[in-house]
Amino acid sequence: DQQVKQNSPSLSVQEGRISILNCDYTNSMFDYFLWYKKYPAEGPTFLISISSIKDKNEDGRFTVFLNKSAKHLSLHIVPSQPGDSAVYFCAASADQGAQKLVFGQGTRLTINP
Amino acid sequence: GAVVSQHPSRVICKSGTSVKIECRSLDFQATTMFWYRQFPKQSLMLMATSNEGSKATYEQGVEKDKFLINHASLTLSTLTVTSAHPEDSSFYICSARDWTRGDQPQHFGDGTRLSIL
Repeated sequence: DQQVKQNSPSLSVQEGRISILNCDYTNSMFDYFLWYKKYPAEGPTFLISISSIKDKNEDGRFTVFLNKSAKHLSLHIVPSQPGDSAVYFCAASADQGAQKLVFGQGTRLTINP
Repeated sequence: GAVVSQHPSRVICKSGTSVKIECRSLDFQATTMFWYRQFPKQSLMLMATSNEGSKATYEQGVEKDKFLINHASLTLSTLTVTSAHPEDSSFYICSARDWTRGDQPQHFGDGTRLSIL
């Protein structure tokens, strides 16, 4: 039972444009959501998070949107840069991120020059 | 920022060998660390929660006798894959959180690629 789903295994975006990565979840108990970025042979690096009491959180070029009624969140990267090319994982937690994280399958983002 | 170090980064060994993987929090104390496993093109799956000074908590379907976890200090947790077989080949990643900073997320090590021949 995949509680967190990233339905797009890959995404290709032109440099300078907006990258939008999507994530859906099924567990209504999730109250904290995170996005991680992962390069090959490295562990995931934390990017941005959002609590269920918010619907938007912004940090520089990265913005995460949460739609609780649709159980959907998205990560917007603008403008996209070649260094953003990586695999992006969304993760969810039912305890404000303190303990168990449930991850999506990841989306491989490629930024084309 | 918080740093989690994992060692070794890659292990290749024969079937039947036991392999130990270390996870260290370098600049903070971690009463709890987490061990994940990732199969190719799949998501990270939580295997167990490592608790300093007490027994680890294993997720459903994870054999505790197969994957031994020891969390002897506030900065070190080890995962030992006992009598490893080819089906145990995977990417193992640990994470830890600085509990003194409530706003901090889990930080991950760089993972260990385990290949059992």
